[in-house]
Amino acid sequence: GAVVSQHPSRVICKSGTSVKIECRSLDFQATTMFWYRQFPKQSLMLMATSNEGSKATYEQGVEKDKFLINHASLTLSTLTVTSAHPEDSSFYICSAASPSGGYTFGSGTRLTVV
Amino acid sequence: QKEVEQDPGPLSVPEGAIVSLNCTYSNSAFQYFMWYRQYSRKGPELLMYTYSSGNKEDGRFTAQVDKSSKYISLFIRDSQPSDSATYLCAMSEDFNKFYFGSGTKLNVKP
Repeated sequence: GAVVSQHPSRVICKSGTSVKIECRSLDFQATTMFWYRQFPKQSLMLMATSNEGSKATYEQGVEKDKFLINHASLTLSTLTVTSAHPEDSSFYICSAASPSGGYTFGSGTRLTVV
Repeated sequence: QKEVEQDPGPLSVPEGAIVSLNCTYSNSAFQYFMWYRQYSRKGPELLMYTYSSGNKEDGRFTAQVDKSSKYISLFIRDSQPSDSATYLCAMSEDFNKFYFGSGTKLNVKP
């Protein structure tokens, strides 16, 4: 079945540094991937829609210069949190529309900025 | 084998029907079980959250977890057209890493 691999699963970084999160579709081509953020025990918040070969579409209130999204191939989308601050600490999840219907989610990345 | 299996549907029911949505899983270490509802072009919203086995009720929604069968369910009573959405199950061992079902698309017809 459709599998989305997300790495790293956990990362700790210093304030001011940048962190890249990868989301890879392993056995299917994903023209569109979605990036979500989740605060503890709250709903997933859609941050942006990543389209292969074009600029990502960001949801209202999400800083596109802070959360850089690159979807350079049909199997890889990356989210880079630039100049990270402690308030960026959160759980980030990607998903892709599955060929068999529905969505396939990555397992998430726990980002802690210290 | 995927960690979490969920029938993508679509599931079409008449208004007022009782809806049953289900997920099965393979990892017996899962302890946290969640149901999300996602409307088109929106992020999923958390509907129900259950720890370990048992039932949890919230209004028209009831979540059930059967750890012995590795099976979870979400029941919607008196379904409404506004319940039409995609429903996702998710589960975790320690609330750090989540495994999602692929979502079931529900259509409640007036």
